[in-house]
Amino acid sequence: EVQLVESGGGLVQPGGSLSLSCGASGFIFSTHWMTWVRQAPGKGLEWVANINQDGSKKYYVDSVKGRFTISRDNAKNSLYLQMNSLRAEDTSVYYCSMGDVFDIWGQGTMVTVSS
Amino acid sequence: QAGLTQPPSVSKGLRQTATLTCTGNGNNVGFEGVVWLQQHQGHPPKLLSYKNNNRPSGISERFSASRSGNTASLTVTGLQPEDEADYYCSAWDKGLDSWVFGGGTKLTVL
Repeated sequence: EVQLVESGGGLVQPGGSLSLSCGASGFIFSTHWMTWVRQAPGKGLEWVANINQDGSKKYYVDSVKGRFTISRDNAKNSLYLQMNSLRAEDTSVYYCSMGDVFDIWGQGTMVTVSS
Repeated sequence: QAGLTQPPSVSKGLRQTATLTCTGNGNNVGFEGVVWLQQHQGHPPKLLSYKNNNRPSGISERFSASRSGNTASLTVTGLQPEDEADYYCSAWDKGLDSWVFGGGTKLTVL
């Protein structure tokens, strides 16, 4: 069964850092683009970043450029999102998604930025 | 980054047909077409359609997608209670080098 499991969410103060992980199983992780998408409470979906199969190409939404870093470890079938200088507006459920076109989604992990 | 435009809500009766729209520009919708996602309350999104009208396995034929110029559409026929959900379109924007999403359409089945 294809599965994505996010972890690492929690409560963090403004200006703080958090690292999210996404563990993959049931498919050949190293052959797929991977993506982070977030959803603020009661709001729509927002694409955050994606990374190609070998990690050589990374793209970010403007609002997180310079603060967030997407990475992957194909040997560990894992996707990561390092989030620094967090702001209240980063408060969201963060989903990881597999594939070129958001084929499969995890259940998400909640990140709350608040003092 | 500019997003795609979707109507906030659409309401139709049971067994009727609903058509949801998604408008962008030549750099996104008009470039490679859109992805359509369905999200039920409290659940992650699910892929319904990609590259205009390709359905993943397991997705009902009642869902069909199309595109005309810079506007994409998702048509849901024979509406069922379980079709009540939020629907999002998304497309790669070659000018922004990013994915852009629509604000979502809440489909209500009366």
